[in-house]
Amino acid sequence: GAGVSQTPSNKVTEKGKYVELRCDPISGHTALYWYRQSLGQGPEFLIYFQGTGAADDSGLPNDRFFAVRPEGSVSTLKIQRTERGDSAVYLCASSLGLAGVHEQYFGPGTRLTVT
Amino acid sequence: AQSVTQPDIHITVSEGASLELRCNYSYGATPYLFWYVQSPGQGLQLLLKYFSGDTLVQGIKGFEAEFKRSQSSFNLRKPSVHWSDAAEYFCASNYGGATNKLIFGTGTLLAVQP
Repeated sequence: GAGVSQTPSNKVTEKGKYVELRCDPISGHTALYWYRQSLGQGPEFLIYFQGTGAADDSGLPNDRFFAVRPEGSVSTLKIQRTERGDSAVYLCASSLGLAGVHEQYFGPGTRLTVT
Repeated sequence: AQSVTQPDIHITVSEGASLELRCNYSYGATPYLFWYVQSPGQGLQLLLKYFSGDTLVQGIKGFEAEFKRSQSSFNLRKPSVHWSDAAEYFCASNYGGATNKLIFGTGTLLAVQP
């Protein structure tokens, strides 16, 4: 079946602009995660959704970052007033979301470059 | 704070040689442990995972890993490396709880010499 998809694959924007990154999880997965991977680093957790609600947003770096998942499927990560330090690969993952620990399936990522 | 350490940033091995990538975690209780591989332009792919039970776990592509509680380690091994194994490898842990978020190490970049 289809895996996790993310669009766009690449996004170049100017400092100060607003961007939206989209994630389409695997059908039937109720849990959705966003991670950020900076150059030379491992992915860092940003936010976790269980269904429509953000169950844990402790990884969001500041209030310029926001994410939604209005219908419990597709999620959008929104970044306001982008800064050069926001340049990174943004990864989305989904899992079954049932009680216990389940494998997270990752999308290919969106490479964001802020000039 | 909970953390995962991968001491080796970059490793080069010859094709056909054995491989061991190191991973250490910090936490009092036993976490859930994972190894992922990331090839250029590809998403993270799960190689194997350890939840409980047998401390030697087998994964895909001929990889295995051994959980050693006394050393807080979960090292990844492969007896004979293929050129296609060149990629970046990430160790990750999940301490459970309400979020199930993964904490990743900084990765080990593997190069394979012919």
